[in-house]
Amino acid sequence: NAGVTQTPKFQVLKTGQSMTLQCAQDMNHEYMSWYRQDPGMGLRLIHYSVGAGITDQGEVPNGYNVSRSTTEDFPLRLLSAAPSQTSVYFCASSIGTGGTEAFFGQGTRLTVV
Amino acid sequence: GQQVMQIPQYQHVQEGEDFTTYCNSSTTLSNIQWYKQRPGGHPVFLIQLVKSGEVKKQKRLTFQFGEAKKNSSLHITATQTTDVGTYFCAGEYRQFYFGTGTSLTVIP
Repeated sequence: NAGVTQTPKFQVLKTGQSMTLQCAQDMNHEYMSWYRQDPGMGLRLIHYSVGAGITDQGEVPNGYNVSRSTTEDFPLRLLSAAPSQTSVYFCASSIGTGGTEAFFGQGTRLTVV
Repeated sequence: GQQVMQIPQYQHVQEGEDFTTYCNSSTTLSNIQWYKQRPGGHPVFLIQLVKSGEVKKQKRLTFQFGEAKKNSSLHITATQTTDVGTYFCAGEYRQFYFGTGTSLTVIP
């Protein structure tokens, strides 16, 4: 039982490049979300999904796209990377909303130069 | 803007001293969760509080949820070096809003 798996663990991008951060969970969780973590800012919600085919914006969605074609996968796309997107990104999943424990992936450290 | 504020941002304590972090929301929360993140790691769930005025204990950790469901606290009694990390609260109000976190350093 792997839990929540994120790839890659580290990535360096040039400004303007695009990439996809992968997130997969094997717990059959309906709710999945993406956060970014910056010093002194805590974790800020980027996008979330309450089930396959359903996504919505969080606090800081600009510059990021998501899709949820299956229950297991929730990729995060950066279409044109900017230095302001340098951060640590965490994917999380939970059984549902309404106050259920979130399980986090190991994180992806992204640097945009 | 940030919905959930947490103080202090940093705390250094001698091993054996107590530690408290406070979480305040501008809105009434449905529930609040607490997470711990070890240096270089990912957040790990500690506990959830749902009821107004609720108090829960986990060994040396005591969690409280305010009567108005707008604030919460985590208190650690007699800190140990294993308590090192950043403690986050996360309040639910339509979405989950994480606090800014309190980074705890324990000096042996």
